[in-house]
Amino acid sequence: EPEVTQTPSHQVTQMGQEVILRCVPISNHLYFYWYRQILGQKVEFLVSFYNNEISEKSEIFDDQFSVERPDGSNFTLKIRSTKLEDSAMYFCASGRGDEKLFFGSGTQLSVL
Amino acid sequence: RKEVEQDPGPFNVPEGATVAFNCTYSNSASQSFFWYRQDCRKEPKLLMSVYSSGNEDGRFTAQLNRASQYISLLIRDSKLSDSATYLCVVNEGTFGNEKLTFGTGTRLTIIP
Repeated sequence: EPEVTQTPSHQVTQMGQEVILRCVPISNHLYFYWYRQILGQKVEFLVSFYNNEISEKSEIFDDQFSVERPDGSNFTLKIRSTKLEDSAMYFCASGRGDEKLFFGSGTQLSVL
Repeated sequence: RKEVEQDPGPFNVPEGATVAFNCTYSNSASQSFFWYRQDCRKEPKLLMSVYSSGNEDGRFTAQLNRASQYISLLIRDSKLSDSATYLCVVNEGTFGNEKLTFGTGTRLTIIP
């Protein structure tokens, strides 16, 4: 069964450092998303991406965040200068545009 | 602010019992509704969509009451493998531009 894959599974970084979280969406999906979940809290929408453009972003997705699809398979989330409050599980998701989203297993980001 | 509210539980239920969860949502313009399940420290996985007419998938039945802005999930003949957190999810976006709003989840433990 095709799946969304994310790397790394864990990322530890120092405050102020840049991190790039990587995702390989399901191959025939065209719509891509990032969500995050702070420990013990709700899953929160960050950004949606289609046709090499951001479709929508949340208030969380400020200037420190960016997304990119650098080639035909990868979809990345970059945080330019990490803050302590960026510590969370980051989930990538992809879909065909039929409202069914498939989530990757997540990258646990710890900012020290 | 658009919210999805759920009783966090925990619900501790003997194997074989029937259990029901409820959820309310604040955005009356929402069109699409889902139940996801999330195992501990894992990604959300789509369990089922929720339709106005009510829908069933095996032991699972979902209902939507648009007038009351209320969604329910019924699990019959519960199995140990049903132990998870059940997330009520509303799509605040559109097809292909999904912007899922998640509830905090209801934790279910099935007791042997």
